[in-house]
Amino acid sequence: QQQVKQSPQSLIVQKGGISIINCAYENTAFDYFPWYQQFPGKGPALLIAIRPDVSEKKEGRFTISFNKSAKQFSLHIMDSQPGDSATYFCAASNRGNTPLVFGKGTRLSVIA
Amino acid sequence: EPEVTQTPSHQVTQMGQEVILRCVPISNHLYFYWYRQILGQKVEFLVSFYNNEISEKSEIFDDQFSVERPDGSNFTLKIRSTKLEDSAMYFCASSPLAGDSYEQYFGPGTRLTVT
Repeated sequence: QQQVKQSPQSLIVQKGGISIINCAYENTAFDYFPWYQQFPGKGPALLIAIRPDVSEKKEGRFTISFNKSAKQFSLHIMDSQPGDSATYFCAASNRGNTPLVFGKGTRLSVIA
Repeated sequence: EPEVTQTPSHQVTQMGQEVILRCVPISNHLYFYWYRQILGQKVEFLVSFYNNEISEKSEIFDDQFSVERPDGSNFTLKIRSTKLEDSAMYFCASSPLAGDSYEQYFGPGTRLTVT
């Protein structure tokens, strides 16, 4: 119930391509869905987040798509660059200032 | 830009020893968290802290763990008697107290190695 399932585990994308990472959840009480980017040896950095009252949120090259009925959300990285190579985690929480439940992460490699 | 800081960056300790991991949250934030990440695995919640008391804790956060805010800036995680399985990256995070702000900001982490 508290799990967030993330796929794929790893992803290789050509430079300039679109990277897509998917997450699914069971707990319908979740109402906040952030994505974090983590470089080796560093802490997770908040990338973009969405609340369930909207179906899409875009910030620069990064877009979250949210499907409330399917209990799924995804991260799209447009025009992927080698500098985007990192591990991406989706997460969810069910009210303000409560613990985040993380997915297992996706290791993205963008190759030139 | 304000950020969460953590010290030390790497701590090596022997099994059974006590360790204290330190964090300085973002100055106007009022919710604090500890998470851990075992190498190659997902980030897991340990404990959250608000108004000088624990607000939530996970089953990982057993009697060997404690948290404290000893002054107006530091937030510490103590592991009383470390075990080999405590080896992990420990991340501190903080969040503002605001009705619609759920954002948690993470520090760079402390790598704890228990030998």
